[in-house]
Order: sequence, then C-alpha cells, then structure tokens
Amino acid sequence: KAGVTQTPRYLIKTRGQQVTLSCSPISGHRSVSWYQQTPGQGLQFLFEYFSETQRNKGNFPGRFSGRQFSNSRSEMNVSTLELGDSALYLCASSPLAVMNTEAFFGQGTRLTVV
Amino acid sequence: GENVEQHPSTLSVQEGDSAVIKCTYSDSASNYFPWYKQELGKRPQLIIDIRSNVGEKKDQRIAVTLNKTAKHFSLHITETQPEDSAVYFCAASSSNDYKLSFGAGTTVTVRA
Repeated sequence: KAGVTQTPRYLIKTRGQQVTLSCSPISGHRSVSWYQQTPGQGLQFLFEYFSETQRNKGNFPGRFSGRQFSNSRSEMNVSTLELGDSALYLCASSPLAVMNTEAFFGQGTRLTVV
Repeated sequence: GENVEQHPSTLSVQEGDSAVIKCTYSDSASNYFPWYKQELGKRPQLIIDIRSNVGEKKDQRIAVTLNKTAKHFSLHITETQPEDSAVYFCAASSSNDYKLSFGAGTTVTVRA
C-alpha cells in the first residue's frame, strides 16, 4: 500500500505570491489533516477534512485555506505569502472518521519564502 | 482548546541508559495520547499510543504511562541505543476534536 504522498517536496516562493500544496492519502483513508512544522514550535494544526468537509480549523489567518476532493486527495493554499510562512507543511491521513487513531504522515513540503 | 506542554526540550543520554519525556495536557475530554518519533529529515511516525481507559502500555523498550487525574503522560525508553536519537512528539486528542494537539518536541541524543 502506498503511503501518504505530498507534492512538491520543495518550494521557493517570493513574498506576496500564493502557493498550493497537494496531499494524496493512503488508499481508503478519508480523513486528511494538515500541520505546519517550524523549529521549536512543534506541529501546529491547520485543518482537517473528511468527505470533502472541513471539520476543524486551527488558529491560522484566513490566508491559509484548504479543500478535499471526492477521491480524498487534499490541497492547501496559502495566499499573500509572508516570510514567516516558511516551514515544513505536513499532511496526515487516518483510516477512521475521527482523529482518535494513528495518523500517517507524508514526507512534507518544505516551503521557503524569500 | 487543548494545550500540550512537553519537557524537556532536549535530552542527552548515555547509550544503555533510560530516557523519560513528560507531557501535560489541559483538556479533560482528551482521551487519546500518541507519541511520534521523527528522525532527521524524515516524517513523524507513531511509536506508541495510549487511551484514557489504560494507565500504562509497553512495547519492548518503550512504555507510556498516563495519569488522568493529573493530566500528564510520559514516555519511557529503556536501554537506549543510537538509533533512538530523534525528535519525539507527544500529542493529545479527543473523540470529537478532529485534530491532534502536539507538544513542542524533545530532541533526544544518545551518546555512544
């Protein structure tokens, strides 16, 4: 079974631009969540999707948005990029309906904003 | 919302010694407490988890304990080996929260 796949692996963007990151969950997993990882801050929750519905959202500005498609693949978008958005963005998928079971992480997308 | 605090932020141990990482949580509704290990440049991976109806769980050299009254849980690694060097994250979630709340992480270094 293929693992969680995130594309692209690396991105360099300029301040003010926007970016779209993609996440393909493990086959059969319907819950996809996104996290921002920065040194010293751990993993900060962005949002979670299940069957194309956002069920929870973290404390991030409205510039961060996401969506999930009918095949469970998910995308997140960051508009008007700021230097502070530089981070590793991780997505995770879970087999069950709630985040009360093992989350399988992708390799992440390393975003650098210059 | 849930707030998870993790200590220490760094931990250096001699190979063969034990390592202990402690976490506290704030939401009494939290009922699932996983621990993830992230090696340098790799994705976080689950190493052990515990649910609120269990006080302790062990898997070979790794054990986790949970004290619901005090709202804290700990990871214990015995007979540490160089391959245990990594960043360890604790997390907490509740059945209807649809997210994991992570601690800030502990960088463990095992000295040969």
